[in-house]
Amino acid sequence: AQRVTQPEKLLSVFKGAPVELKCNYSYSGSPELFWYVQYSRQRLQLLLRHISRESIKGFTADLNKGETSFHLKKPFAQEEDSAMYYCALSGSRDDKIIFGKGTRLHILP
Amino acid sequence: GAGVSQSPSNKVTEKGKDVELRCDPISGHTALYWYRQSLGQGLEFLIYFQGNSAPDKSGLPSDRFSAERTGGSVSTLTIQRTQQEDSAVYLCASSLGLAGGGGDTQYFGPGTRLTVL
Repeated sequence: AQRVTQPEKLLSVFKGAPVELKCNYSYSGSPELFWYVQYSRQRLQLLLRHISRESIKGFTADLNKGETSFHLKKPFAQEEDSAMYYCALSGSRDDKIIFGKGTRLHILP
Repeated sequence: GAGVSQSPSNKVTEKGKDVELRCDPISGHTALYWYRQSLGQGLEFLIYFQGNSAPDKSGLPSDRFSAERTGGSVSTLTIQRTQQEDSAVYLCASSLGLAGGGGDTQYFGPGTRLTVL
């Protein structure tokens, strides 16, 4: 069965420190992985997807099929990065997208 | 163009009453999702509509919850005999639904905050 696990409910990081939000998944085929973000009083929105291999707002995420992980990283945290982050997985084209429980990132000044 | 819209933005109701929440997806999006977002529970999948296929209702928590999508566009989520534990933010999302929709970007609405007294 498809499953997305975000082990941390809350992650507090000092401004300027590196950030890593963990995401592990369970899927037998070739999944498509996403990170969605929800800033305070804003809509949930796509941050990045692994097939794009892009860096958005300084964030990157690499799909590691061996470790079944898709951790989100940023070398230097900024206060505006404080938000709720959700990792999501899509399997076959006919399957719905599955979200993890989310991690709240709190950047300390 | 307009994004996904939801109404009402806030709903306060008494325990035992029925409520209807509405979602207007982006025009042309064939896939539509409902989620529930509450503290400590993250984002909980409720139901998924894709084109003319039978909806995936596997996330509905009880038979008090139902949803329909008329004309492949607007969707209504109905909660009957509301309970206090139904209090949450209900989010709707739509996507293009390419070949099933699983790999599409989802566009979320602002949500409806439901409070059951």
